[in-house]
Amino acid sequence: GAGVSQSPRYKVTKRGQDVALRCDPISGHVSLYWYRQALGQGPEFLTYFNYEAQQDKSGLPNDRFSAERPEGSISTLTIQRTEQRDSAMYRCASSLGVAGGSGELFFGEGSRLTVL
Amino acid sequence: DQQVKQNSPSLSVQEGRISILNCDYTNSMFDYFLWYKKYPAEGPTFLISISSIKDKNEDGRFTVFLNKSAKHLSLHIVPSQPGDSAVYFCAASAVGGTSYGKLTFGQGTILTVHP
Repeated sequence: GAGVSQSPRYKVTKRGQDVALRCDPISGHVSLYWYRQALGQGPEFLTYFNYEAQQDKSGLPNDRFSAERPEGSISTLTIQRTEQRDSAMYRCASSLGVAGGSGELFFGEGSRLTVL
Repeated sequence: DQQVKQNSPSLSVQEGRISILNCDYTNSMFDYFLWYKKYPAEGPTFLISISSIKDKNEDGRFTVFLNKSAKHLSLHIVPSQPGDSAVYFCAASAVGGTSYGKLTFGQGTILTVHP
């Protein structure tokens, strides 16, 4: 499809397990963002990439969280040793890029993570 | 520390009337503001934006007003339609810093437009 694609849509895991969430951005989009959204709240910035370079990871909660975008397209957000507080909707977004951009992000439908 | 606040969790409006959604921010470094709309089971979609060099931006039925001295912005929808019923998020970024897309979002306001 033409939009941002995320998988899995739903993930239920046991505490202590590792999870990997995948994002396939809109073709040609330079920038890719990861956000986390708790119920009843707005999305919260985690990290972003321009091409394959991770530009800012200041929003990652701790070192259990990591992200990569090795070829400048698909990105993976990995959470190691999951905890119940990691349960949330994880949203990926992409945009054309920084220069001349409108700030418009195109969001995917999200990956709902539940840690038991 | 909530840097972007939407103090009204919900708003109910009659079809054809004006909807006014409000947003306050505290970070004076923010210089670009956006509104996103979200339907259930979908990701947020961009609606309208405004740069801090302007105080108003209009796009069809949607107008965003920015009052920098009060650190306040609002979204006006005229006339409101039932299809506008959704969650509306206010967002802000410090474009002069790093990235357009590193946004700080408010908590959202649920708008319901009654026929």
